[in-house]
Amino acid sequence: QSVLTQPPSVSGAPGQRVTISCTGSSSNIGAGYDVHWYQQLPGTAPKLLIYGNSNRPSGVPDRFSGSKSGTSASLAITGLQAEDEADYYCQSYDSSLRVGVFGGGTKLTVL
Amino acid sequence: QVQLVESGGGLVKPGGSLRLSCAASGFTFSDYYMSWIRQAPGKGLEWVSYISSSGSTIYYADSVKGRFTISRDNAKNSLYLQMNSLRAEDTAVYYCARYPISGYLFDYWGQGTLVTVSS
Repeated sequence: QSVLTQPPSVSGAPGQRVTISCTGSSSNIGAGYDVHWYQQLPGTAPKLLIYGNSNRPSGVPDRFSGSKSGTSASLAITGLQAEDEADYYCQSYDSSLRVGVFGGGTKLTVL
Repeated sequence: QVQLVESGGGLVKPGGSLRLSCAASGFTFSDYYMSWIRQAPGKGLEWVSYISSSGSTIYYADSVKGRFTISRDNAKNSLYLQMNSLRAEDTAVYYCARYPISGYLFDYWGQGTLVTVSS
């Protein structure tokens, strides 16, 4: 049982827009801690995709965007491409557990 | 460029021990907190442990507390994870990651090393 809740899977056709939600609580996202997103392509290590709720590291296309409101956050991907097929994880800090916590991950399928 | 390279994984029997290493390069290792994160086969990510830049502050997940020990050698730009009393549920790919404490994020990850606990 992950501290942050994500849908197990989402899908979309090439060119479409999809969103992935991440729901937390008052001890993590709701307490004001930043949300970060990671992309894990098949057979590879996770890679930082979005940091500080909505910032993209250098090299990440602007098709990827993040937002946060209250106890939840979202990752949006526009102009879906086949290469976006991957697992996506949200992550924040939990003040009760005093550690970084992850969502359970969402598998994105490009139809 | 930042590089993290893990080593030391392998097959070990339940109750056995293993020591993982992570060699860091491309940044000032002694300036950063570091962390171990694991991923069981087909499962999500689980934070395991972190250590402060000086090694004075250490935290463990409850699932490994008392069995795993994190350490670092800043002179060798290396991070370690000593794993004792291993269980089948410790089977996972273990990643080391840089952990800039100011943002509570993991900004760079190694490629991972597989630990399999099985008789």
